[in-house]
Amino acid sequence: DAMVIQNPRYQVTQFGKPVTLSCSQTLNHNVMYWYQQKSSQAPKLLFHYYDKDFNNEADTPDNFQSRRPNTSFCFLDIRSPGLGDAAMYLCATSLRPGGPETQYFGPGTRLLVL
Amino acid sequence: AQSVTQPDIHITVSEGASLELRCNYSYGATPYLFWYVQSPGQGLQLLLKYFSGDTLVQGIKGFEAEFKRSQSSFNLRKPSVHWSDAAEYFCAVGGGSQGNLIFGKGTKLSVKP
Repeated sequence: DAMVIQNPRYQVTQFGKPVTLSCSQTLNHNVMYWYQQKSSQAPKLLFHYYDKDFNNEADTPDNFQSRRPNTSFCFLDIRSPGLGDAAMYLCATSLRPGGPETQYFGPGTRLLVL
Repeated sequence: AQSVTQPDIHITVSEGASLELRCNYSYGATPYLFWYVQSPGQGLQLLLKYFSGDTLVQGIKGFEAEFKRSQSSFNLRKPSVHWSDAAEYFCAVGGGSQGNLIFGKGTKLSVKP
């Protein structure tokens, strides 16, 4: 089955220690998104890639970076995690950007910062 | 600015009872509307979506939603709830500045036997 895969499912890191979260997709979609979801809150978009074009949300902290080496993979790098970065990180894909496009979500990576 | 409001944070219904989850949106143009469901510790699964045409939309797992432009609403309904429906439900509007989804804060559904 075509799908969106996120690894690891759970990640524990130390305050200030860089961490990388991984997302891969077999849907061959052009767009990949990263959302942050804090406890009992709505998912919030951090940034997305449309093919190789990177698009950052205005209020995404500089501490968050992303890489997309090829169509299938996208990484979220947190350079110096703080306690406030503990959250569920959701990767999603869509064929094209834009309002009517359905986004397909992975299972998420839950990040804990000690 | 676009926004989505889900007025109910938590709803409890009995198994077999009907369900309606409310969603109101604020959007300048024709909205693209979605309902997603999230089980504990899981990602989001699309239940249904509305773009245009018939305002009553059928989705998976027996869910439906009705778009009412005059009320800026897109409420989710199910005639008979099953225990497996216990989850968190998010309403979203497509069309953020980068084509992203703008989510409501979610409604947590509990189902009692």
